[in-house]
Amino acid sequence: KQEVTQIPAALSVPEGENLVLNCSFTDSAIYNLQWFRQDPGKGLTSLLLIQSSQREQTSGRLNASLDKSSGRSTLYIAASQPGDSATYLCAVLQSGGGADGLTFGKGTHLIIQP
Amino acid sequence: DAGITQSPRHKVTETGTPVTLRCHQTENHRYMYWYRQDPGHGLRLIHYSYGVKDTDKGEVSDGYSVSRSKTEDFLLTLESATSSQTSVYFCAISESGGPSTDTQYFGPGTRLTVL
Repeated sequence: KQEVTQIPAALSVPEGENLVLNCSFTDSAIYNLQWFRQDPGKGLTSLLLIQSSQREQTSGRLNASLDKSSGRSTLYIAASQPGDSATYLCAVLQSGGGADGLTFGKGTHLIIQP
Repeated sequence: DAGITQSPRHKVTETGTPVTLRCHQTENHRYMYWYRQDPGHGLRLIHYSYGVKDTDKGEVSDGYSVSRSKTEDFLLTLESATSSQTSVYFCAISESGGPSTDTQYFGPGTRLTVL
């Protein structure tokens, strides 16, 4: 059974710092890995999707990497801003079956101090 | 934002009563999913659909049933609600559901409390 772990569970940093969020998964047979953002009381917003054949994806100040063989992904946030405060979720889509849905980590709760 | 709405957004009910949650999409996407989100567990898949009348179970399907009679609507039913089903329920959609660049788009969620 696929398991996704996110470290750290919570992180608080001053505004302007660069930071890295970590995600690991136990089964490398995945179609893709996705990073989401969730604001309190809200739904999930997709940030980046990395296909299994790709190594990284970039969107603005965000860069996500994928090392499928080692079961790891990182989300790099450059020049953090208070508006980046949210919970960040990592999820993988398992291969080898039907559309079985995403397997999620429990998230990293990020606070950017003004 | 993807056109996904969930209704109701909040519901309080009593143990033993039936509850139906609705997910409606305007994107004409083939795949639809129901997840629940609980502290300490993250999001977990309940059921999913890969077309009209085509559904399958997810990781935590016990106590839930689903139906999809139209492309745009996916219903989640708790036949006899229990306190363990108190949770936030999210609907999601995707175009292909498989090995592609398609992401899943999530609705705003329904907060269900079973007393």
